[in-house]
Amino acid sequence: GDSVTQMEGPVTLSEEAFLTINCTYTATGYPSLFWYVQYPGEGLQLLLKATKADDKGSNKGFEATYRKETTSFHLEKGSVQVSDSAVYFCALSHNAGKSTFGDGTTLTVKP
Amino acid sequence: DTGVSQNPRHKITKRGQNVTFRCDPISEHNRLYWYRQTLGQGPEFLTYFQNEAQLEKSRLLSDRFSAERPKGSFSTLEIQRTEQGDSAMYLCASSPLTALSPGELFFGEGSRLTVL
Repeated sequence: GDSVTQMEGPVTLSEEAFLTINCTYTATGYPSLFWYVQYPGEGLQLLLKATKADDKGSNKGFEATYRKETTSFHLEKGSVQVSDSAVYFCALSHNAGKSTFGDGTTLTVKP
Repeated sequence: DTGVSQNPRHKITKRGQNVTFRCDPISEHNRLYWYRQTLGQGPEFLTYFQNEAQLEKSRLLSDRFSAERPKGSFSTLEIQRTEQGDSAMYLCASSPLTALSPGELFFGEGSRLTVL
């Protein structure tokens, strides 16, 4: 079956540092890939998505590129802010059916 | 607010009791999903509907769990004879199922179940 593996956390960075959160997946075919974010006290919300190989999703300064050859979808941001502190989940979905999520990576950004 | 709404937000119950959660999706969304999340884990798929049809149910889901979406609008998730292992956050999400948003989920804030 499908699976998603995220780098283990927690991750603690200073403000303006570079962020990478690794995500790799195992799936048949060509799933759509997503990053969701959960801010403290809030529900999960979509951060960015990519629907085919080599697509780059971007939002709020975050980027991730769908790499079919390495089955990866790593999340990056060039300069994090305190307000980026949250839990980040990588996920995949086939044809808008069920989504499979990673276990989440907690990011804390210190001023 | 026209987001996904879940009720109750928190339910505390004794082992063996039945509980029911309700989800009101975004009105124009025809797909509705239920997930379960425990501390330190990602959401785990339970079931999903397209309109009123239940299209998939997790094989890991005990027969004590049942979900309905009778008119293709709101949905209920019932857990019968609750066990302590059922304690978790139950998440509902909806999706518009368009070519522009394949698989994109809009989540509610969840219903937290505590079984004593």
